Amino acid sequence: GESVGLHLPTLSVQEGDNSIINCAYSNSASDYFIWYKQESGKGPQFIIDIRSNMDKRQGQRVTVLLNKTVKHLSLQIAATQPGDSAVYFCAENSHNYGQNFVFGPGTRLSVLP
Amino acid sequence: GAGVSQSPRYKVAKRGQDVALRCDPISGHVSLFWYQQALGQGPEFLTYFQNEAQLDKSGLPSDRFFAERPEGSVSTLKIQRTQQEDSAVYLCASSLLIQPTNEKLFFGSGTQLSVL
Repeated sequence: GESVGLHLPTLSVQEGDNSIINCAYSNSASDYFIWYKQESGKGPQFIIDIRSNMDKRQGQRVTVLLNKTVKHLSLQIAATQPGDSAVYFCAENSHNYGQNFVFGPGTRLSVLP
Repeated sequence: GAGVSQSPRYKVAKRGQDVALRCDPISGHVSLFWYQQALGQGPEFLTYFQNEAQLDKSGLPSDRFFAERPEGSVSTLKIQRTQQEDSAVYLCASSLLIQPTNEKLFFGSGTQLSVL
C-alpha cells in the first residue's frame, strides 16, 4: 500500500507486480518532465522523459503518463524487481524556470520478496 | 571520464570552517548545475553555468555560498563559515547543450557534507 512517512511517501509492492508512482507538478507552463531513480548513496539516475506534446511514452519496463489537464505525471514499472527499490523523483522544466529543473519530493519504492 | 565525478565523496567540517566541493562534468558538456539535497527531500537548485558563465545563482541560500567554473569545465562550490544547516548532499549535474532545451541532466554521486 501507499503511506506518507516522516519524510517520503512510501510505496510497497510485491516482486513481480506492477508499480505506479505518482507526481503532481506545479507549473502549467512546464513543457518537459523527467523521472529519476535515486539509490542510497548515489546521485539521481535518468529513467525516462516526456515532452508536453505527448501524453504517454514507453521505455524498457517503464511507462510515463502525462495528464496536463490536472498537472499529473505517473511512472509505471512493469514486473517490479528488487533492483527497482529506490527513491523516485519527478522533475519539471519550463522556460519560466530558465535553466532550472524543479524536483518533486520523491517516493520511496520498496519491493517485497 | 564517462560520467560526472564529484569529490570529496564525504566531507566533515567544524562549524565556521570553509569547504570546497569539486565537480568534473562529462567532457564537452556545456551546462553545469549545482543542487542541494537535504535528507529525505528532492534536490533543490543552487546555481547554473553555461560554459564559464554563471547565468543563474538565484538558488544560493546566502552570500557564504560561491561557485565558479573558470575554464568552462571543472566547477567548485565553496561554502564559507559553514553552519549546521549547510549539512546536506551537494549534487552536480551536467548536460550537453545550453538549457533550457528539454534535455536530461546527468548527475554525479554527490558530496555529503556534515557540519558539526
